[in-house]
Amino acid sequence: DQQVKQNSPSLSVQEGRISILNCDYTNSMFDYFLWYKKYPAEGPTFLISISSIKDKNEDGRFTVFLNKSAKHLSLHIVPSQPGDSAVYFCAANGQTNAGKSTFGDGTTLTVKP
Amino acid sequence: DTGVSQNPRHKITKRGQNVTFRCDPISEHNRLYWYRQTLGQGPEFLTYFQNEAQLEKSRLLSDRFSAERPKGSFSTLEIQRTEQGDSAMYLCASSLGHRGNSPLHFGNGTRLTVT
Repeated sequence: DQQVKQNSPSLSVQEGRISILNCDYTNSMFDYFLWYKKYPAEGPTFLISISSIKDKNEDGRFTVFLNKSAKHLSLHIVPSQPGDSAVYFCAANGQTNAGKSTFGDGTTLTVKP
Repeated sequence: DTGVSQNPRHKITKRGQNVTFRCDPISEHNRLYWYRQTLGQGPEFLTYFQNEAQLEKSRLLSDRFSAERPKGSFSTLEIQRTEQGDSAMYLCASSLGHRGNSPLHFGNGTRLTVT
């Protein structure tokens, strides 16, 4: 039973447009959600997080939205840049165990110049 | 901050052999994690340490796997009697805090190929 799902394996957008990456979860006990970005041959790097008590968190070009009733979150990148091309992982955590994260299978974003 | 370092980057071994990987976390981070990632999937939690204590192990971690973190610094992950199903990327990560919003800092991984 996969508790965190990223249903779109890939996404392609034009430079300057908005990229929207989606993530669904099933476990209502998750308290925090994090997004990581991964370039080839590198480990994932942290991008942005959101607490379950909030519905939006913004950091520069990156905004994460959380719809707790729908158990759905999304990452918006505006404007998209070619350097944003990477695999994006959604991860979910309980309240106290930061590192025991449950990851989705990732979405490969391609931003075309 | 020199980042999380993992060695070796690649390891090719024959089925039945033992392998050992090393992870050096960010020095001030007290928590260290091992994850495994196979092609097309996200990282899967294996085990974690707080300082030198191994606090949790996933059911994915069979008896052939053992992890240590002597003196709460670097960690090693050993796989005994490797099987082809062990072929994967093994990722190490560290974190400073214990709260759920403390991000993981990953190394670049060790890619294991079992032939």
